[in-house]
Amino acid sequence: NAGVMQNPRHLVRRRGQEARLRCSPMKGHSHVYWYRQLPEEGLKFMVYLQKENIIDESGMPKERFSAEFPKEGPSILRIQQVVRGDSAAYFCASSPGGKSTGYEQYFGPGTRLTVT
Amino acid sequence: AQTVTQSQPEMSVQEAETVTLSCTYDTSESNYYLFWYKQPPSRQMILVIRQEAYKQQNATENRFSVNFQKAAKSFSLKISDSQLGDTAMYFCAFMNRGDEKLTFGTGTRLTIIP
Repeated sequence: NAGVMQNPRHLVRRRGQEARLRCSPMKGHSHVYWYRQLPEEGLKFMVYLQKENIIDESGMPKERFSAEFPKEGPSILRIQQVVRGDSAAYFCASSPGGKSTGYEQYFGPGTRLTVT
Repeated sequence: AQTVTQSQPEMSVQEAETVTLSCTYDTSESNYYLFWYKQPPSRQMILVIRQEAYKQQNATENRFSVNFQKAAKSFSLKISDSQLGDTAMYFCAFMNRGDEKLTFGTGTRLTIIP
């Protein structure tokens, strides 16, 4: 069973460009979470999605950031008009959901975004 | 809002020794989960151990065990017989039951010295 897949692993964008980060959850997992890790900091929750629905986006910046998890295909975190402060590692996690697994989340390897 | 505090930014210990990483948290909830994640230089986040707040018994996973003190809101991680592969950042994390979002501490950088 493949783990959580994220691509690309490294992404370089110039200021003002768009960044698209992809996450394929583990097989059988319908819950996806995105977290951001700034240098030398812990991970910060951004958004929680289930198939075709955003459940909790309380950690997502109101502007320029959006996320989706379509019925088919990976979850996408999209950052428009990137700025240097968006440089960070973005982690995706997935879970089958529910208390049966103790809410355990399985993390992907992350995408390191660098804005120049 | 929940907060998680890790007061030890860095620690180092000799190989084969025991080390304890501390974590405290603040919540008004009574039903929640606590986790320790390991982030080695590869930056992959790996779950080390999980504790359910309603369980009084401390969780153990091989060389890893926790000391969960619910009244004190403390959740420390003990690593016994430490190995070089234990060198990593360790993050304590909190989740309200039914909330499904993790709140992380700032991490402790642990170095195992040969």
